[in-house]
Amino acid sequence: AQSVTQPDIHITVSEGASLELRCNYSYGATPYLFWYVQSPGQGLQLLLKYFSGDTLVQGIKGFEAEFKRSQSSFNLRKPSVHWSDAAEYFCAVGARSSASKIIFGSGTRLSIRP
Amino acid sequence: DSGVTQTPKHLITATGQRVTLRCSPRSGDLSVYWYQQSLDQGLQFLIQYYNGEERAKGNILERFSAQQFPDLHSELNLSSLELGDSALYFCASSVAGTSFFETQYFGPGTRLLVL
Repeated sequence: AQSVTQPDIHITVSEGASLELRCNYSYGATPYLFWYVQSPGQGLQLLLKYFSGDTLVQGIKGFEAEFKRSQSSFNLRKPSVHWSDAAEYFCAVGARSSASKIIFGSGTRLSIRP
Repeated sequence: DSGVTQTPKHLITATGQRVTLRCSPRSGDLSVYWYQQSLDQGLQFLIQYYNGEERAKGNILERFSAQQFPDLHSELNLSSLELGDSALYFCASSVAGTSFFETQYFGPGTRLLVL
């Protein structure tokens, strides 16, 4: 069965510092992988997604993620965070074989220190 | 603004009652998805409709049902409500809905409180 783990519940970084949010997945083959952001009181917005090809994926708002098959990871990174990046971030995994399976991680709340 | 609208924004009701949540997809999108976000269960996919027909089913309870109408808006019906149904319910839409890799656009959600 597929699953996704975000080990960090809450992370605080200083504005201008780099960021890495961790995501580990469990799936029998290469899945679809996603990162979403949810700002307070808002719906989810897709940051980036991975299907195949280049394992370094560029997304919106300056985010990128790297798929590492050997580590079953899809970590989200940003070189320099802005106060507006404070939000909840969700990693998700989708099964290619069945449209009914998409699993979200429990989320990582990001706070920005001025 | 994603272009997906959901009504109402907030809903307070009592246990045992039935409510209907409404979603209007982005113009041109044929697929609608429903999600539930709760403190206990996190974010879960419930169900997907494509052009009026059910396409995919996730962790949707039997007390819950959905439909998509000819004008492509969708309704999620929740019946025999329990305290644990209190959650934020999101609707999302996508152009075709042929796979979950397709970009989904989320609405702002309906916050349901069951007392």
